[in-house]
Amino acid sequence: DTAVSQTPKYLVTQMGNDKSIKCEQNLGHDTMYWYKQDSKKFLKIMFSYNNKELIINETVPNRFSPKSPDKAHLNLHINSLELGDSAVYFCASSLQVAEKLFFGSGTQLSVL
Amino acid sequence: GENVEQHPSTLSVQEGDSAVIKCTYSDSASNYFPWYKQELGKRPQLIIDIRSNVGEKKDQRIAVTLNKTAKHFSLHITETQPEDSAVYFCAPKKGDSNYQLIWGAGTKLIIKP
Repeated sequence: DTAVSQTPKYLVTQMGNDKSIKCEQNLGHDTMYWYKQDSKKFLKIMFSYNNKELIINETVPNRFSPKSPDKAHLNLHINSLELGDSAVYFCASSLQVAEKLFFGSGTQLSVL
Repeated sequence: GENVEQHPSTLSVQEGDSAVIKCTYSDSASNYFPWYKQELGKRPQLIIDIRSNVGEKKDQRIAVTLNKTAKHFSLHITETQPEDSAVYFCAPKKGDSNYQLIWGAGTKLIIKP
């Protein structure tokens, strides 16, 4: 059983398009996250939800919008995709905030 | 703002030797100190963590030591094996809000056969 699953694994799209990445966890965790990892491997927090409440909203373009319909799901919608959005996006979850994170397998986003 | 530095950025060791990666942080209120391992093309995974009331923690071949006074903690891997090759990240937890980890830039560990 996959603990944190995200789809799709690969996403290739044209500039200007709108796309979504979905994330689900079956660990019963209260906190979920979206991270962006660039080509230099820097891990950057984008958003975090605790019990469906947004607790971290880092300085990301407002083209990025997270949505948490329930504690087990955190989706990421991106409008008007740009070349610089190309990266690997990781979803993660944890029982306690910012401790013992479990990561999904990542979504490789390529914007052409 | 808070600052986290990892050294070295790349470390190459002979299989069977030990490896040590150091993480220096600036937030004196940090109280939780994890290390994550990311193999090529895979997800980051927690390998060991320590709290500020403990100086050292060991789990088989890996250990973490903490020096709160000097504000650094280190990852120690003994008897290195090819599967230890990966990028290792430290990510001390911010002390004020308790909501965030401050990630280091990563250390690439290469195990030479």
